[in-house]
Amino acid sequence: QVQLVQSGAEVKEPGASVKVSCKASGYTFTTYGISWVRQAPGQGLRWMGWISVFNGNTKYPQNLQGRVTMTTDTSTSTAYMELRSLRSDDTADYYCARDLGPSEGLDVWGQGTTVTVSS
Amino acid sequence: EIVMTQSPATLSVSPGERATLSCRASQSVSSNLGWYQQKPGQAPRLLIYGASTRATGIPARFSGSGSGTEFTLTISSLQSEDFAVYYCQQYHNWPRTFGGGTKVEIK
Repeated sequence: QVQLVQSGAEVKEPGASVKVSCKASGYTFTTYGISWVRQAPGQGLRWMGWISVFNGNTKYPQNLQGRVTMTTDTSTSTAYMELRSLRSDDTADYYCARDLGPSEGLDVWGQGTTVTVSS
Repeated sequence: EIVMTQSPATLSVSPGERATLSCRASQSVSSNLGWYQQKPGQAPRLLIYGASTRATGIPARFSGSGSGTEFTLTISSLQSEDFAVYYCQQYHNWPRTFGGGTKVEIK
């Protein structure tokens, strides 16, 4: 079955970086993009960006430009999201999701990775 | 950036009753809108895409309607497993923004 499995929880100090992985299985990885979404404790969903697995093109929201980088490794069917210069308000659950493209939405989600930023 | 506004923030409904959730976009998103359900401690789940098409495995009691700037998610007869938070998301323009969510709770 189609599945996205994310890496485990992380605890980081302010100013550090974190890299979360998302391993896909059950489909041809290069066919669809991957979006990343985060959710701060008790808050709603916030879209963090998208990567085309086919050609590596990315889209990020303005508020994360320069701090976030999304990449993929097609040899292992794994997507990565790196967030730098961590602050306490980056504490959140981070999700990857298979992105079917315009008009079809995010149909399969990873289980989430909790990132805690604390000194 | 397209702002998505959901209402109400909380909806209290009795099991078996109908629930109607609204989502409004600050500018037209055509039919490029999805609805997601999220239960505590779980990842979101896609319910509806293209504003009105049920995703695979989603029961027929869930239906979506609307286009342009006004959208509705209707749950025709609430089951116990439907009490959750529901989010809309537009994927018409970058960045792909979510609404703030509607919590459907037991009355």
